[in-house]
Amino acid sequence: AQSVAQPEDQVNVAEGNPLTVKCTYSVSGNPYLFWYVQYPNRGLQFLLKYITGDNLVKGSYGFEAEFNKSQTSFHLKKPSALVSDSALYFCAVSRLNRDDKIIFGKGTRLHILP
Amino acid sequence: DGGITQSPKYLFRKEGQNVTLSCEQNLNHDAMYWYRQDPGQGLRLIYYSQIVNDFQKGDIAEGYSVSREKKESFPLTVTSAQKNPTAFYLCASSPLPSYEQYFGPGTRLTVT
Repeated sequence: AQSVAQPEDQVNVAEGNPLTVKCTYSVSGNPYLFWYVQYPNRGLQFLLKYITGDNLVKGSYGFEAEFNKSQTSFHLKKPSALVSDSALYFCAVSRLNRDDKIIFGKGTRLHILP
Repeated sequence: DGGITQSPKYLFRKEGQNVTLSCEQNLNHDAMYWYRQDPGQGLRLIYYSQIVNDFQKGDIAEGYSVSREKKESFPLTVTSAQKNPTAFYLCASSPLPSYEQYFGPGTRLTVT
């Protein structure tokens, strides 16, 4: 069975600084990895995904994520944070080419301080 | 316009009443899902369906029921047996179970 962990409940970053939101996963076989963002009282929005290929994946709103197979991690990053990036971020994993549904992490709340 | 719609956005009910939340998608996705989200919390899977006329219980199915009579529709009924139904309910769909899910805007249910 697959699982995903987001070790930080909350991350605080000053506006303009780089940000990282951490995610580690456990899956047998090849992972299929996702990041989502949720703004207050809204549904989740898909940011980016990793299937295979380049370990650095670029997504929406200037976000990117780095797949690290040896560390089983898929951290979300952005070079320069905006106040509008403040939201709840979810990492998710499934198994490539399987019928398993996606498993979501518990979420990390990102606060960008002006 | 493709996507997932949930209605209504806000719903208020008295304790002891059943209530049905609507979820419709025009993405031609086979799989659909219902999640519950409590304030400041993550997602908990209630029910999911991978194909019409079939669905499976998720992690917190007690007090909920679903149907999947059409590919594009997956309504959720919150029954009076659900002890703490006040929450934010999210519907999602995906082409296949392992693929990314697309979410609706959510329905906030308040039961008093």
